[in-house]
Amino acid sequence: GAGVSQSPSNKVTEKGKDVELRCDPISGHTALYWYRQSLGQGLEFLIYFQGNSAPDKSGLPSDRFSAERTGGSVSTLTIQRTQQEDSAVYLCASRIKGRVAGANVLTFGAGSRLTVL
Amino acid sequence: AQKITQTQPGMFVQEKEAVTLDCTYDTSDQSYGLFWYKQPSSGEMIFLIYQGSYDEQNATEGRYSLNFQKARKSANLVISASQLGDSAMYFCAMREATSGTYKYIFGTGTRLKVLA
Repeated sequence: GAGVSQSPSNKVTEKGKDVELRCDPISGHTALYWYRQSLGQGLEFLIYFQGNSAPDKSGLPSDRFSAERTGGSVSTLTIQRTQQEDSAVYLCASRIKGRVAGANVLTFGAGSRLTVL
Repeated sequence: AQKITQTQPGMFVQEKEAVTLDCTYDTSDQSYGLFWYKQPSSGEMIFLIYQGSYDEQNATEGRYSLNFQKARKSANLVISASQLGDSAMYFCAMREATSGTYKYIFGTGTRLKVLA
């Protein structure tokens, strides 16, 4: 697609429920990142996918968080047994890899705002 | 470990004036990239400018320039001729390129308010 697409844009859930957030990166972008932005805060790295390599999961805050990327394209971030502190905007970004113009630049989606009641 | 520090939580600038947003970084790598992003109240992250660690010239993009002082590990953003539409949150970010880590880390941001 023309840009990074994220869905849902807003999700309200009850504590203890599982949620799935979806990211569709720009076509041809092999690297995909998930970040979390709590209200008024900076961006917290969660996980990074690059092609067929094993993902860098070093930013996932607990084992309730997981992510997968199918077919090297769409990614799903899953949060199990949600807690109120999981409330945040979850941002997905992608970038192209290689020695091409703009290869270093992350292009972000509009984010998924998660509210856990 | 990588670290990005933005010490100005908030800044005010008069319309049409220039403003500098501070950013310092810490890395042990020789090859890295520095970025600035703008986040308006709508929440989207907009890429503004990029500086590679080996670039000898300061990066410029229209009214944005990056004042890169490698020895001091600083990468300040300069916005010239501020406009009301520049009011937003600004994030400095860094990517290391030689350690096998391709994470981009972000500072805590500076909220800029442009006054009419």
